[in-house]
Amino acid sequence: GEDVEQSLFLSVREGDSSVINCTYTDSSSTYLYWYKQEPGAGLQLLTYIFSNMDMKQDQRLTVLLNKKDKHLSLRIADTQTGDSAIYFCAEEGMDSSYKLIFGSGTRLLVRP
Amino acid sequence: GAGVSQSPSNKVTEKGKDVELRCDPISGHTALYWYRQRLGQGLEFLIYFQGNSAPDKSGLPSDRFSAERTGESVSTLTIQRTQQEDSAVYLCASSPVDAGYGYTFGSGTRLTVV
Repeated sequence: GEDVEQSLFLSVREGDSSVINCTYTDSSSTYLYWYKQEPGAGLQLLTYIFSNMDMKQDQRLTVLLNKKDKHLSLRIADTQTGDSAIYFCAEEGMDSSYKLIFGSGTRLLVRP
Repeated sequence: GAGVSQSPSNKVTEKGKDVELRCDPISGHTALYWYRQRLGQGLEFLIYFQGNSAPDKSGLPSDRFSAERTGESVSTLTIQRTQQEDSAVYLCASSPVDAGYGYTFGSGTRLTVV
Protein backbone atom coordinates (compact mmCIF):
# COMPACT_ATOMS: atom_id res chain seq x y z
CA GLY A 1 0.00 0.00 0.00
CA GLU A 2 0.89 3.64 0.01
CA ASP A 3 3.12 4.76 2.84
CA VAL A 4 5.27 7.77 3.60
CA GLU A 5 7.85 7.53 6.37
CA GLN A 6 9.65 10.33 8.20
CA SER A 7 11.74 10.57 11.33
CA LEU A 8 9.81 12.13 14.19
CA PHE A 9 12.15 14.73 15.56
CA LEU A 10 15.14 16.90 14.62
CA SER A 11 16.94 19.45 16.76
CA VAL A 12 19.47 21.90 15.32
CA ARG A 13 21.23 25.08 16.42
CA GLU A 14 20.27 28.40 14.91
CA GLY A 15 22.41 29.10 11.86
CA ASP A 16 23.09 25.42 11.12
CA SER A 17 21.55 23.52 8.22
CA SER A 18 18.62 21.17 8.80
CA VAL A 19 18.00 18.08 6.70
CA ILE A 20 14.65 16.36 6.95
CA ASN A 21 14.32 12.98 5.24
CA CYS A 22 11.37 11.09 3.84
CA THR A 23 10.81 7.78 2.06
CA TYR A 24 7.73 7.09 -0.04
CA THR A 25 6.27 4.13 -1.88
CA ASP A 26 4.43 5.33 -4.99
CA SER A 27 6.87 5.63 -7.86
CA SER A 28 4.09 6.97 -10.12
CA SER A 29 3.67 10.16 -8.08
CA THR A 30 4.08 13.12 -10.47
CA TYR A 31 4.83 15.60 -7.71
CA LEU A 32 6.20 15.27 -4.19
CA TYR A 33 5.54 17.90 -1.58
CA TRP A 34 6.84 19.48 1.59
CA TYR A 35 4.36 21.19 3.90
CA LYS A 36 5.02 23.16 7.08
CA GLN A 37 2.69 23.30 10.07
CA GLU A 38 3.17 25.89 12.77
CA PRO A 39 1.43 25.51 16.15
CA GLY A 40 -2.33 26.02 15.91
CA ALA A 41 -2.20 26.61 12.17
CA GLY A 42 -3.12 24.69 9.08
CA LEU A 43 -0.56 23.28 6.71
CA GLN A 44 1.29 25.61 4.40
CA LEU A 45 2.84 24.39 1.16
CA LEU A 46 6.58 25.03 1.37
CA THR A 47 7.79 23.60 -1.88
CA TYR A 48 7.27 20.74 -4.28
CA ILE A 49 9.28 18.89 -6.87
CA PHE A 50 8.33 17.36 -10.20
CA SER A 51 9.25 13.70 -10.37
CA ASN A 52 11.59 14.08 -13.36
CA MET A 53 13.82 16.46 -11.40
CA ASP A 54 16.42 15.41 -8.89
CA MET A 55 16.94 18.78 -7.24
CA LYS A 56 15.04 22.00 -6.70
CA GLN A 57 16.36 25.08 -4.93
CA ASP A 58 14.21 27.89 -3.60
CA GLN A 59 16.08 30.47 -1.50
CA ARG A 60 17.09 28.68 1.73
CA LEU A 61 15.29 25.47 0.75
CA THR A 62 16.80 22.64 -1.28
CA VAL A 63 14.80 19.56 -2.19
CA LEU A 64 16.63 16.42 -3.30
CA LEU A 65 14.82 13.53 -4.94
CA ASN A 66 16.28 10.05 -5.40
CA LYS A 67 13.69 8.16 -7.41
CA LYS A 68 15.61 4.91 -7.41
CA ASP A 69 15.58 4.77 -3.61
CA LYS A 70 12.23 6.63 -3.30
CA HIS A 71 13.91 9.10 -0.99
CA LEU A 72 13.07 12.78 -0.65
CA SER A 73 14.88 15.29 1.51
CA LEU A 74 14.42 18.92 2.50
CA ARG A 75 17.45 20.98 3.43
CA ILE A 76 16.97 24.31 5.17
CA ALA A 77 20.09 26.47 5.10
CA ASP A 78 20.87 28.93 7.91
CA THR A 79 18.00 27.59 10.03
CA GLN A 80 16.20 30.24 12.08
CA THR A 81 14.06 29.94 15.20
CA GLY A 82 11.05 30.81 13.02
CA ASP A 83 11.65 27.57 11.14
CA SER A 84 10.62 25.57 14.22
CA ALA A 85 7.52 23.68 13.11
CA ILE A 86 6.36 20.27 11.93
CA TYR A 87 7.34 19.39 8.37
CA PHE A 88 5.27 16.93 6.37
CA CYS A 89 6.33 15.07 3.28
CA ALA A 90 3.52 14.01 0.92
CA GLU A 91 3.13 11.97 -2.24
CA GLU A 92 0.18 11.71 -4.58
CA GLY A 93 -2.23 8.82 -4.17
CA MET A 94 -1.78 5.97 -6.66
CA ASP A 95 -5.22 6.42 -8.14
CA SER A 96 -5.44 10.20 -8.13
CA SER A 97 -3.25 13.29 -8.24
CA TYR A 98 -5.58 15.26 -6.00
CA LYS A 99 -5.39 12.91 -3.03
CA LEU A 100 -2.23 13.33 -0.96
CA ILE A 101 -0.63 10.71 1.27
CA PHE A 102 1.18 12.38 4.14
CA GLY A 103 3.95 11.21 6.41
CA SER A 104 3.59 11.59 10.18
CA GLY A 105 5.65 14.75 10.19
CA THR A 106 9.08 15.69 11.51
CA ARG A 107 9.13 18.13 14.38
CA LEU A 108 12.02 20.57 13.89
CA LEU A 109 13.26 22.38 16.96
CA VAL A 110 15.72 25.22 16.41
CA ARG A 111 17.78 26.07 19.49
CA PRO A 112 19.10 29.62 19.86
CA GLY B 1 -12.61 35.17 1.38
CA ALA B 2 -8.88 35.59 1.64
CA GLY B 3 -8.29 32.12 3.03
CA VAL B 4 -10.02 28.86 3.91
CA SER B 5 -12.16 29.40 6.97
CA GLN B 6 -13.20 26.60 9.31
CA SER B 7 -15.60 26.67 12.21
CA PRO B 8 -15.70 26.03 15.03
CA SER B 9 -11.99 26.13 15.80
CA ASN B 10 -12.54 23.90 18.82
CA LYS B 11 -15.37 21.53 19.68
CA VAL B 12 -15.79 19.37 22.76
CA THR B 13 -18.64 16.92 22.58
CA GLU B 14 -19.96 13.99 24.55
CA LYS B 15 -19.64 10.50 23.18
CA GLY B 16 -22.72 9.58 21.18
CA LYS B 17 -23.62 13.12 20.10
CA ASP B 18 -23.58 14.34 16.51
CA VAL B 19 -21.28 17.15 15.40
CA GLU B 20 -21.15 19.33 12.31
CA LEU B 21 -17.98 20.99 11.09
CA ARG B 22 -17.99 23.77 8.53
CA CYS B 23 -15.55 24.81 5.83
CA ASP B 24 -15.67 27.99 3.74
CA PRO B 25 -13.31 27.59 0.78
CA ILE B 26 -11.52 30.31 -1.14
CA SER B 27 -13.87 31.87 -3.64
CA GLY B 28 -13.39 30.36 -7.07
CA HIS B 29 -11.71 27.18 -5.85
CA THR B 30 -13.59 24.30 -7.40
CA ALA B 31 -11.92 21.51 -5.43
CA LEU B 32 -12.46 20.99 -1.70
CA TYR B 33 -10.93 18.35 0.54
CA TRP B 34 -11.37 17.12 4.09
CA TYR B 35 -8.49 15.48 5.97
CA ARG B 36 -8.20 14.18 9.50
CA GLN B 37 -5.09 14.58 11.65
CA ARG B 38 -4.84 12.42 14.73
CA LEU B 39 -2.41 13.40 17.46
CA GLY B 40 1.17 12.78 16.37
CA GLN B 41 0.15 11.45 12.97
CA GLY B 42 0.01 12.65 9.41
CA LEU B 43 -3.12 13.66 7.60
CA GLU B 44 -5.62 11.06 6.42
CA PHE B 45 -7.71 11.82 3.34
CA LEU B 46 -11.44 11.74 4.02
CA ILE B 47 -13.36 13.17 1.07
CA TYR B 48 -12.93 15.26 -2.10
CA PHE B 49 -15.42 17.46 -3.94
CA GLN B 50 -14.85 18.84 -7.43
CA GLY B 51 -17.51 21.15 -8.83
CA ASN B 52 -20.72 19.26 -9.53
CA SER B 53 -19.02 15.87 -9.96
CA ALA B 54 -19.74 12.98 -7.63
CA PRO B 55 -17.48 13.30 -4.57
CA ASP B 56 -14.68 10.83 -3.81
CA LYS B 57 -15.75 9.46 -0.43
CA SER B 58 -13.20 6.66 -0.35
CA GLY B 59 -11.47 7.97 2.79
CA LEU B 60 -14.50 8.20 5.06
CA PRO B 61 -13.77 5.77 7.92
CA SER B 62 -17.35 4.65 8.60
CA ASP B 63 -20.96 5.36 7.73
CA ARG B 64 -21.12 7.69 10.74
CA PHE B 65 -19.18 10.19 8.63
CA SER B 66 -20.79 12.19 5.84
CA ALA B 67 -20.09 15.43 4.02
CA GLU B 68 -22.01 17.79 1.81
CA ARG B 69 -21.08 20.63 -0.47
CA THR B 70 -23.43 22.84 -2.39
CA GLY B 71 -21.92 23.79 -5.73
CA GLU B 72 -18.54 25.45 -5.18
CA SER B 73 -19.32 26.93 -1.80
CA VAL B 74 -19.46 25.87 1.83
CA SER B 75 -18.97 22.27 2.90
CA THR B 76 -20.08 20.57 6.10
CA LEU B 77 -18.63 17.40 7.57
CA THR B 78 -21.01 15.58 9.89
CA ILE B 79 -20.03 12.90 12.37
CA GLN B 80 -22.92 11.01 13.91
CA ARG B 81 -22.80 9.19 17.25
CA THR B 82 -19.27 10.39 17.94
CA GLN B 83 -16.74 8.01 19.46
CA GLN B 84 -13.56 8.80 21.35
CA GLU B 85 -11.46 7.64 18.40
CA ASP B 86 -13.02 10.48 16.36
CA SER B 87 -11.01 12.97 18.44
CA ALA B 88 -8.66 14.69 16.00
CA VAL B 89 -8.07 17.89 14.08
CA TYR B 90 -10.23 18.04 10.97
CA LEU B 91 -8.60 20.05 8.22
CA CYS B 92 -10.26 21.42 5.13
CA ALA B 93 -8.40 22.54 2.01
CA SER B 94 -9.51 24.08 -1.25
CA SER B 95 -7.73 24.31 -4.57
CA PRO B 96 -8.25 25.75 -8.05
CA VAL B 97 -6.65 22.65 -9.56
CA ASP B 98 -6.64 18.89 -8.98
CA ALA B 99 -3.12 18.77 -7.61
CA GLY B 100 -1.42 19.14 -4.28
CA TYR B 101 0.47 22.28 -5.26
CA GLY B 102 -2.82 24.12 -5.37
CA TYR B 103 -3.96 23.28 -1.86
CA THR B 104 -4.69 26.01 0.69
CA PHE B 105 -5.50 24.59 4.11
CA GLY B 106 -7.70 26.07 6.80
CA SER B 107 -6.58 26.15 10.42
CA GLY B 108 -8.72 23.15 11.29
CA THR B 109 -11.34 22.19 13.84
CA ARG B 110 -10.00 20.42 16.92
CA LEU B 111 -12.64 17.87 17.96
CA THR B 112 -12.48 16.28 21.39
CA VAL B 113 -14.95 13.54 22.26
CA VAL B 114 -15.28 12.95 26.01
